Amino acid sequence: GAGVSQSPRYKVAKRGQDVALRCDPISGHVSLFWYQQALGQGPEFLTYFQNEAQLDKSGLPSDRFFAERPEGSVSTLKIQRTQQEDSAVYLCASSLADRGGYTFGSGTRLTVV
Amino acid sequence: RKEVEQDPGPFNVPEGATVAFNCTYSNSASQSFFWYRQDCRKEPKLLMSVYSSGNEDGRFTAQLNRASQYISLLIRDSKLSDSATYLCVVEGSGNTGKLIFGQGTTLQVKP
Repeated sequence: GAGVSQSPRYKVAKRGQDVALRCDPISGHVSLFWYQQALGQGPEFLTYFQNEAQLDKSGLPSDRFFAERPEGSVSTLKIQRTQQEDSAVYLCASSLADRGGYTFGSGTRLTVV
Repeated sequence: RKEVEQDPGPFNVPEGATVAFNCTYSNSASQSFFWYRQDCRKEPKLLMSVYSSGNEDGRFTAQLNRASQYISLLIRDSKLSDSATYLCVVEGSGNTGKLIFGQGTTLQVKP
């Protein structure tokens, strides 16, 4: 596609519910990144894929967070047993190579109530 | 201490003013530096890369001082449409392309 597509755009989850956030990167982009952005803060790195390989997951805040990119294209970020502190915008970005600027998707705004 | 530090502002300036943002970073091994712009409730978008020699793009000038681990962005002749949050961004460690974002500096240009 023309840009990075994320869905859903908004998600309200009850505390304890599992959620799955989808990212469809720009076609042909090798690198894919997930970021979490809390209100008033800059994006915080969560995890990085090069094709289907998850090369860095050092930013995932707990074992409730899990990401996958099984065919090296679409990626899913799953959050199990959501907590209020998980409320944030989750941004996906892709790039052609592992250096240089990214293109971000519009993000998924997750609110846990 | 955060890896990338910025003054969050807000900076309130009149149209036509020149405004400068600064940021410092802690990882001396970082090789790539950027400024991103983020409008309210939108995703960040790449404004410009920052090179050691300094670089200019229209009204925007970016500078990098590796010795001081300091990055700046200068905006000349501010427009109302420049109102946004400006994120200072540094490549993280590990050679993965991971980017570390500052908190962002908010600019409000007033008529």
